[in-house]
Amino acid sequence: QQQVKQSPQSLIVQKGGISIINCAYENTAFDYFPWYQQFPGKGPALLIAIRPDVSEKKEGRFTISFNKSAKQFSLHIMDSQPGDSATYFCAATAEVTDSWGKLQFGAGTQVVVTP
Amino acid sequence: DTAVSQTPKYLVTQMGNDKSIKCEQNLGHDTMYWYKQDSKKFLKIMFSYNNKELIINETVPNRFSPKSPDKAHLNLHINSLELGDSAVYFCASSQYGGPNYEQYFGPGTRLTVT
Repeated sequence: QQQVKQSPQSLIVQKGGISIINCAYENTAFDYFPWYQQFPGKGPALLIAIRPDVSEKKEGRFTISFNKSAKQFSLHIMDSQPGDSATYFCAATAEVTDSWGKLQFGAGTQVVVTP
Repeated sequence: DTAVSQTPKYLVTQMGNDKSIKCEQNLGHDTMYWYKQDSKKFLKIMFSYNNKELIINETVPNRFSPKSPDKAHLNLHINSLELGDSAVYFCASSQYGGPNYEQYFGPGTRLTVT
């Protein structure tokens, strides 16, 4: 059973546009929500992450918005560039000893930025 | 370069064979993981080791056996390979209890079972 639901499955955005990817979770024990970026033929790489004590975190053109009551979080990519074309995964985990580091991944969103 | 490395990058084998994938990290981390990424790109954790001790063991067939000779290495041995084992296998590492949980992934091993 997938613990983190991610949408959309894919999206196409023009250069300079905004890409928005949404994720939802059920387990209220989750306390860390990272986003990973994966290019074809490469391993995922951490892009940005948030904890539930803040509602927004921004790093450059990438922003996470977090809604604890709705159990949803989203990634916004501002001023999208062709180099942002990749698959993006949201994930969640809980800081408990027997599951430490156990990332539950969403299904991924393939983002294509057209020139 | 500091990184997580895996060998081999590609592995093509026949059903019923036994194969191993090796992983090494030189980031000084004490926790290592194996993930499986299926054909739909879904990523699922299989195992994790902290200081050579198994701490996460997901519902994975007994044919999969991880081994950690030291905290910088985590190998995955697969017995009696099946068609459904075809996937990309990623090794990752992190520092246990670290404030950011960040996991560093290797480049992956694409396993094809024919």
